Amino acid sequence: GAVVSQHPSRVICKSGTSVKIECRSLDFQATTMFWYRQFPKQSLMLMATSNEGSKATYEQGVEKDKFLINHASLTLSTLTVTSAHPEDSSFYICSATGTGGSSPLHFGNGTRLTVT
Amino acid sequence: GQNIDQPTEMTATEGAIVQINCTYQTSGFNGLFWYQQHAGEAPTFLSYNVLDGLEEKGRFSSFLSRSKGYSYLLLKELQMKDSASYLCAVSDSNYQLIWGAGTKLIIKP
Repeated sequence: GAVVSQHPSRVICKSGTSVKIECRSLDFQATTMFWYRQFPKQSLMLMATSNEGSKATYEQGVEKDKFLINHASLTLSTLTVTSAHPEDSSFYICSATGTGGSSPLHFGNGTRLTVT
Repeated sequence: GQNIDQPTEMTATEGAIVQINCTYQTSGFNGLFWYQQHAGEAPTFLSYNVLDGLEEKGRFSSFLSRSKGYSYLLLKELQMKDSASYLCAVSDSNYQLIWGAGTKLIIKP
């Protein structure tokens, strides 16, 4: 079945540094990729939607200059958390879908970010 | 506005059957998804319904009634590993996924 690989699975960084998270679709072309964050015991919260070759669409309240998304190819999207702060500590999950509205979302395994 | 409702938490016994309901009000409808999410892990896809009726897949079945804006996920022969959160999501007219808050299912021996 469709596989989405997300890396790294866990990262600890110091406040003020930047962290890049990669999301790859391994066996299908991901026309659209989504980035979510999830706080403990809460549901998924969509941060942004990215289509290959175009700028990401950010949800209300998500700072686009802080959470940089690049979707340079049909198999790779990256999320960079710039100047990370402790409140950015969260579980970040990417997902990808192929063409057609009935294509299910396939999720990466998530990245647990801890900012100290 | 768009809204997905599902119970916050349910408890069931190992070996039994449990039904998790989901009601929705969205601008357009292009299918309903169920996902399973274990604590600390990413969600995994369980089922997709776009037409009315029941879709069966092993121990899990999903039902949809578009006229009622209603779906349920049925889990049979419950196992301890089924303890997880179950997320209902609807694809709206723009194919954007609207997520429910999830139902935490607790399985007791």
